[in-house]
Amino acid sequence: DVKVTQSSRYLVKRTGEKVFLECVQDMDHENMFWYRQDPGLGLRLIYFSYDVKMKEKGDIPEGYSVSREKKERFSLILESASTNQTSMYLCASSKPGLAGEGQFFGPGTRLTVL
Amino acid sequence: RKEVEQDPGPFNVPEGATVAFNCTYSNSASQSFFWYRQDCRKEPKLLMSVYSSGNEDGRFTAQLNRASQYISLLIRDSKLSDSATYLCVVNNENTGFQKLVFGTGTRLLVSP
Repeated sequence: DVKVTQSSRYLVKRTGEKVFLECVQDMDHENMFWYRQDPGLGLRLIYFSYDVKMKEKGDIPEGYSVSREKKERFSLILESASTNQTSMYLCASSKPGLAGEGQFFGPGTRLTVL
Repeated sequence: RKEVEQDPGPFNVPEGATVAFNCTYSNSASQSFFWYRQDCRKEPKLLMSVYSSGNEDGRFTAQLNRASQYISLLIRDSKLSDSATYLCVVNNENTGFQKLVFGTGTRLLVSP
């Protein structure tokens, strides 16, 4: 059974703080993704990675960076958190190809920036 | 215009009813199509892929019409446990990278 874990379920930070969100998957998937989910906007892709040390910008990368030093771990970094980054953050992983087996999601981190 | 559009609902139906959700997508080059299910305060999970010939998985039937850029999901004999938000998803894969685009979801409430 694929398992994707995220370091925190709930997180509260202050404006300007540096925030690290960690994601680990145990199925040896090549692809990993970070999304944010907001009411009325759905899931939006922030960054993705198709291999160790590789990263690609998604649709809304501004204000975020990522790190993938090991295949199983994909980190999302908010260099200087802002209130408009308050959101639900979801990590996902998948095999390469046309996503026929789907992307597997972690439980999410609800981040509040005060 | 959103890339993937769904009626947000909610659809309120009694147990045993048949309910259908529709979805349209704007990118004619979209490669593959899916329905995901998301329970309240949970992560999305793949419900089923959608194939051009249509496909069925138990009480669930998915259809794709590429000409009209339209995807549907039919749920027969609704159960209370079907209450969830159903996300229509298309894959606009480009140069070998998966790029899933999610609709905002249709909420289903099944009542006794």
